[in-house]
Amino acid sequence: EPEVTQTPSHQVTQMGQEVILRCVPISNHLYFYWYRQILGQKVEFLVSFYNNEISEKSEIFDDQFSVERPDGSNFTLKIRSTKLEDSAMYFCASRLDRATEAFFGQGTRLTVV
Amino acid sequence: AQSVTQPDIHITVSEGASLELRCNYSYGATPYLFWYVQSPGQGLQLLLKYFSGDTLVQGIKGFEAEFKRSQSSFNLRKPSVHWSDAAEYFCAVGESGNTPLVFGKGTRLSVIA
Repeated sequence: EPEVTQTPSHQVTQMGQEVILRCVPISNHLYFYWYRQILGQKVEFLVSFYNNEISEKSEIFDDQFSVERPDGSNFTLKIRSTKLEDSAMYFCASRLDRATEAFFGQGTRLTVV
Repeated sequence: AQSVTQPDIHITVSEGASLELRCNYSYGATPYLFWYVQSPGQGLQLLLKYFSGDTLVQGIKGFEAEFKRSQSSFNLRKPSVHWSDAAEYFCAVGESGNTPLVFGKGTRLSVIA
């Protein structure tokens, strides 16, 4: 069964460092998303991506964040200068079209120290 | 704006007992409704979804949910809970198009012998 794959599963980084979280969406999907879940809190939307551009972003997704689909298969989330409060589980999701459900990856746990 | 309320933060049930997890949403049109389950350290797995049609939807692992428009609810049920059902359950609302999902804060289910 096709699945969304995220790497790494866990990343520890020092405050101020740049991190790139990687996702491989399901191959024929067209819509891509990043969500995050701070420990013990709800899942929050960060950004959606369609047709090689950001279609919507939340207030959380400030200038420190960027997304890219560099090669037609990977979908990356970059945090330029990490802060302690960026520590969270980051989920990538993809969906086939406008009327189907989103499939989530297993998540990347980011710990900023 | 869309919102999802899961009024129960934590529920404990005995193995074999029935289960109902509550979800209420606020949305202007007919929403797309979802239940996801998250086992410890795992990603989000779709249990079931409602887009249209029959208001009682069946999902995986013996779960079902009923959409009640008059009550703006989409409660999740299972007639007989198994110990492996212990997890965090998230209700989410969305719509067609590229709009992101809005999640509730989740309900943690504990199962006791």
